[in-house]
Amino acid sequence: QVQLVESGGGVAQTGRSLRLSCEASGFTFSNYGMHWVRQAPGKGLEWVSFIWYDGSFDYYADSVKGRFTISRDNSKRTLYLQMNTLRADDTALYYCARETVDTYDIDFWGQGTLVTVSS
Amino acid sequence: QPVVTQPPSASASLGASVKVTCTLSSGYSSYAIAWHQQQPDKGPRFLMRVNGDGSHKKGDGIPDRFSGSSFGAERYLTISSLQAEDEADYYCQTWGTGIRIFGGGTRLTVL
Repeated sequence: QVQLVESGGGVAQTGRSLRLSCEASGFTFSNYGMHWVRQAPGKGLEWVSFIWYDGSFDYYADSVKGRFTISRDNSKRTLYLQMNTLRADDTALYYCARETVDTYDIDFWGQGTLVTVSS
Repeated sequence: QPVVTQPPSASASLGASVKVTCTLSSGYSSYAIAWHQQQPDKGPRFLMRVNGDGSHKKGDGIPDRFSGSSFGAERYLTISSLQAEDEADYYCQTWGTGIRIFGGGTRLTVL
């Protein structure tokens, strides 16, 4: 069955870095675009970043542009989010999600990994 | 870029029907949206895409009780025969240039 399993979350100090991973299984990873979406404690969903199925294009929310980098390794069926210069307001549960290349629908989500940024 | 607006809460009785609304900002009334459900302490789940013409396409395994419709700039999620497990947060999402935009979410309470 389709699975997306995030990892790499934890506690980081303000200004430090973390790298999140999302391992995919149960589908042809290289056929799907991939997103990171986050959810601060008690808040709604906030889109963070998107990468095309082949990694050729990527997009970022203004709140993370210049600090976060999305990437993927299709041979390892894994999506990454390199998070630099972390701020307190980056504290959130980070979800990876896949997007179909024909309809551009986000049609499957992982369970999330928690990132806590503290001073 | 479009903005999508949702009421923060909705409620309906067990076994009844409820309609959740998502409103697209001015100039974007033809845009499609997607509905995602988030049950307590779970990751979101894709429910369906609702197009500007009112047609909708559901995700795999989504029960027939869930349907979508459209009128002008409003997009709707209707849930009939409400069950306790439908108590959740419902998010609408649309597309911008290279980005995705989420509404603030509607918390549905099943009475």
